[in-house]
Order: sequence, then structure tokens, then C-alpha cells
Amino acid sequence: EPEVTQTPSHQVTQMGQEVILRCVPISNHLYFYWYRQILGQKVEFLVSFYNNEISEKSEIFDDQFSVERPDGSNFTLKIRSTKLEDSAMYFCASSESHEQYFGPGTRLTVT
Amino acid sequence: DQQVKQNSPSLSVQEGRISILNCDYTNSMFDYFLWYKKYPAEGPTFLISISSIKDKNEDGRFTVFLNKSAKHLSLHIVPSQPGDSAVYFCAASVNYGGSQGNLIFGKGTKLSVKP
Repeated sequence: EPEVTQTPSHQVTQMGQEVILRCVPISNHLYFYWYRQILGQKVEFLVSFYNNEISEKSEIFDDQFSVERPDGSNFTLKIRSTKLEDSAMYFCASSESHEQYFGPGTRLTVT
Repeated sequence: DQQVKQNSPSLSVQEGRISILNCDYTNSMFDYFLWYKKYPAEGPTFLISISSIKDKNEDGRFTVFLNKSAKHLSLHIVPSQPGDSAVYFCAASVNYGGSQGNLIFGKGTKLSVKP
């Protein structure tokens, strides 16, 4: 069964450093998303991507964040200058219809 | 502003009995509702969904009921199994003209099914 994959599973970085989180969505899906979950809190929407452009973004997704689909398979989330409060689980999701399928997540720890 | 609310943080059920997980929402524009199951250190796993034009959808042991007038939905699992023990998230979306809206999640309900 096709699944969304994410790398790395765990990323530790120092405050102020740039990180890139990678995702391979399900191959025939056209809609891509990033969500995050801070420990003990809700899963929160960050950004959606369709047809090579951002279709929607939340207020969390400020200028420090960017997304890219550099080739036909990968979908990346970049955080330019990480802050302590960026520590969270980051989930990639993809869909072809209403149901979104999530990857296993990347745990980002900013020290 | 909690648009999707799961007011029970936990639920404990005996194996073989019915589990009922509840969810309330405030945004009348939501037109699609989903339930996800999540184990620790894993991503949410899609379980079942329902469009706002329906009031019931069934898939095996899982049934979702939607009461639009009450802005309430519920997930029934019957019979419950120990492997169902996980955190269950209710999610909702608004879809404009064919575009796929982002999901708004509830805080989750931790289900424990005891053997």
C-alpha cells in the first residue's frame, strides 16, 4: 500500500540554524500539506501546496518557513532560522481528494 | 478559538463492547469530516470520513454519524479490540470549489480498550 515517507525521523539543531525536512508524498496525489504538533498540543496546519504553488497557509507559516517541490517526488519544508519554539513533530500529508494521508513525522528538536 | 472540540480527553472500554468517541464543531462552513487514529511517535492514520451531505458512513467496525443541526459527530467502534487503543482525532475541512481545504483537528481522545 502506498504511503507518505519523511526524512529524517529526528533532527536536532541549534537555534538560528536552517533545517530542511523532506517528504515523499504518495505518487498520484496532487495536494501536499505540512502540519506540526507541539508536544501536548493539537495537530496544526502550516501550509498546503498544489500545482507548484502555495494554496493556503496559516499564520504560523511566516517568512522563516518555505516549501518547495524540487523534483517530481520530493516535497520539502525549510525553516531558515530555527527558534526554540519550532521544536515539534512535523507531519507531511498528501491527498488526491478529501482524505489526507500522513507520513510518520520528523521530530525537530531545537536547542 | 477551538473550531473542533473533543471534550473527553480519555475513554476506557471493555474489549468486545462499543466505543463511542464524540466531536463537536462550531464552523457551519465545514463540509467534510474525518477521523484519524494515532499511536505515539507515528503520524495520524486515516480511519473514516463523512461528507456534510450525509448523516452516516460505515466501514467495517467503524461508523461515523453526523448531526449537522447539533454540529456534532461521533465515531462508533464495535466490537472494540485491544489494538484499537490509541488517540483518536476528529478533523474537519472547508472545501472551496474543488480545492482541498486544510484540516482543523480536535485535541484528541485517548481510547483504552481493556482485555
